[in-house]
Amino acid sequence: GAVVSQHPSRVICKSGTSVKIECRSLDFQATTMFWYRQFPKQSLMLMATSNEGSKATYEQGVEKDKFLINHASLTLSTLTVTSAHPEDSSFYICSASRGASDTQYFGPGTRLTVL
Amino acid sequence: AQRVTQPEKLLSVFKGAPVELKCNYSYSGSPELFWYVQYSRQRLQLLLRHISRESIKGFTADLNKGETSFHLKKPFAQEEDSAMYYCALGNTGKLIFGQGTTLQVKP
Repeated sequence: GAVVSQHPSRVICKSGTSVKIECRSLDFQATTMFWYRQFPKQSLMLMATSNEGSKATYEQGVEKDKFLINHASLTLSTLTVTSAHPEDSSFYICSASRGASDTQYFGPGTRLTVL
Repeated sequence: AQRVTQPEKLLSVFKGAPVELKCNYSYSGSPELFWYVQYSRQRLQLLLRHISRESIKGFTADLNKGETSFHLKKPFAQEEDSAMYYCALGNTGKLIFGQGTTLQVKP
């Protein structure tokens, strides 16, 4: 149990377009979901925390108008990268947990390339 | 500031040798510490957490508050242990990750 999926697994888009990444908990209800970003050969950096039905809480330095997060149900959270630029190219990983302090289960990640 | 430091980017050992992956943390409160592992082409998964005080796949980790460390140890490394290992600090549900250490176990 506790499987988290992400879609798409990789996406290539043109500069200036918006891209939506989905994160789903397949077999449990995720009260809290987290979005991370990972640059090549670097660690995971938390971008934001989202609780179902509430506005996401963004980490310092993360633009909330650029990275729109929606957590409308207990099994789905989406991250939309708006007006993407090449510097937004990265590996985006989500995790989901039953509660804010419970074990986080990670998705496989989404590779975003902005041309 | 809250920080997790893994000083080694790469640790290479021979099969059967002991392994110790180092992790040091900086945190003002009572820390919650984890080790996550990522095998090749797989997602990140929880290996163990300090509050469980358990041994998973032969790995153990002891929290040393005096040295602010949470090193991961295994007495006899196996080839299937080759992976990327991340130490993480939990803070009100959020995770702060170290840079990761690649463990390479040679036959």
